[in-house]
Amino acid sequence: DTGVSQNPRHKITKRGQNVTFRCDPISEHNRLYWYRQTLGQGPEFLTYFQNEAQLEKSRLLSDRFSAERPKGSFSTLEIQRTEQGDSAMYLCASSLVGSGRAGAEQYFGPGTRLTVT
Amino acid sequence: SQKIEQNSEALNIQEGKTATLTCNYTNYSPAYLQWYRQDPGRGPVFLLLIRENEKEKRKERLKVTFDTTLKQSLFHITASQPADSATYLCALASGSSNTGKLIFGQGTTLQVKP
Repeated sequence: DTGVSQNPRHKITKRGQNVTFRCDPISEHNRLYWYRQTLGQGPEFLTYFQNEAQLEKSRLLSDRFSAERPKGSFSTLEIQRTEQGDSAMYLCASSLVGSGRAGAEQYFGPGTRLTVT
Repeated sequence: SQKIEQNSEALNIQEGKTATLTCNYTNYSPAYLQWYRQDPGRGPVFLLLIRENEKEKRKERLKVTFDTTLKQSLFHITASQPADSATYLCALASGSSNTGKLIFGQGTTLQVKP
């Protein structure tokens, strides 16, 4: 399967603990996005990378959140000192964007469902 | 502030009929708009992209229109089937079109009854 993969699929943690999620994008894709989705809502943009550079972060991404894409391949999203409000589905997406090809479709992974108790 | 609205109420239709979903937006001038399908517990799946200079786009039983004057997109599924039952998300390019950053509506759930 050459689609976007995310691990773990489910994570239950206690409030105050740190968690880390991993995303493996489609190999030739240069853009990688993180979104958060709560029940009954559409995905909310968190941050995105062009290769290894993090180019934009949403105001939703507090200082407890950090994302990396060290070699322009896989990405990790870490949440420190988790709060119950962090409970959500965390989605990763990738796309291939090149010169003159703005607006490429995004390919989403299955998501990591985080539950903070 | 920028806002995207989709019908929050579920749309229930009979198999074989045409489903029409609406996406309205305000305080936006998106370079393009995308539609995604999402099944429960899964990530969204890309369906169609339409650019601001395009009025209509088709793909098999799907049709999307984009009216930048009305600030509205309509998404049609013709000859609907029970397998089309899912949540459909509208997404607009935010900021510079080169970022690829998308802002999503809350989605409309479609239920097609046999």
